Amino acid sequence: DVLMTQTPLSSPVTLGQPASISCKSTHSLVHSDGNTYLSWLQQRPGQPPRLLIYKISNRFSGVPDRFSGSGAGTDFTLKISRVEAEDVAVYYCMQGTHYPVTFGGGTKVEIK
Amino acid sequence: DVQLVESGGDLVQPGGSLRLSCEASGFNFSSFWMSWVRQAPGKGLEWVANIKNDGSQKYHVDSVKGRFTISRDNAKNSLYLQMNSLRAEDTAVYYCARGVTLDIWGQGTVVTVSS
Repeated sequence: DVLMTQTPLSSPVTLGQPASISCKSTHSLVHSDGNTYLSWLQQRPGQPPRLLIYKISNRFSGVPDRFSGSGAGTDFTLKISRVEAEDVAVYYCMQGTHYPVTFGGGTKVEIK
Repeated sequence: DVQLVESGGDLVQPGGSLRLSCEASGFNFSSFWMSWVRQAPGKGLEWVANIKNDGSQKYHVDSVKGRFTISRDNAKNSLYLQMNSLRAEDTAVYYCARGVTLDIWGQGTVVTVSS
């Protein structure tokens, strides 16, 4: 199985400041079709997960442009350019290139 | 509105069975792969299974193979998860989600396996 490792586990951030989350996979996430199925999801307290970013860097409908994704192969990053109070949540990376689909362990973003 | 609504969660004894349902609305259900993902209390996300739009391909995580079966009824815009031989470690919130990118999620249904 592809192991997804996220760092940090927790990220205390000042409002208006940037935040960055790293996700590393044990296998390349480049699919045979040429796509890289790496997604980022947000889970606010008491809520179901919500898709933010798919295929490394594509923002899903309605996602603010302060969220951006980057990376390639086995190393990926989610950046929040200016953290807002509503961004308090656990963030997960997810790979859909290889079965079984696997998730990172999650990174908790909280306000300092 | 695009929506997924899960149902069927309950308290069940170890070794028991449950059938979860997920009713879709607001989109062309028969065009999308569909998935089940679970989250144990206080834990992260675990993918359980997915199924192709026409039901011709199904995949399950190893920990549920032989016990859980994903299925769908496109005429009823519904996704199902038949869960047999339930164990304590299957206790979780079960979510259905749309597509291979999991772009739309339901609110989840709670399954508790305990004697």
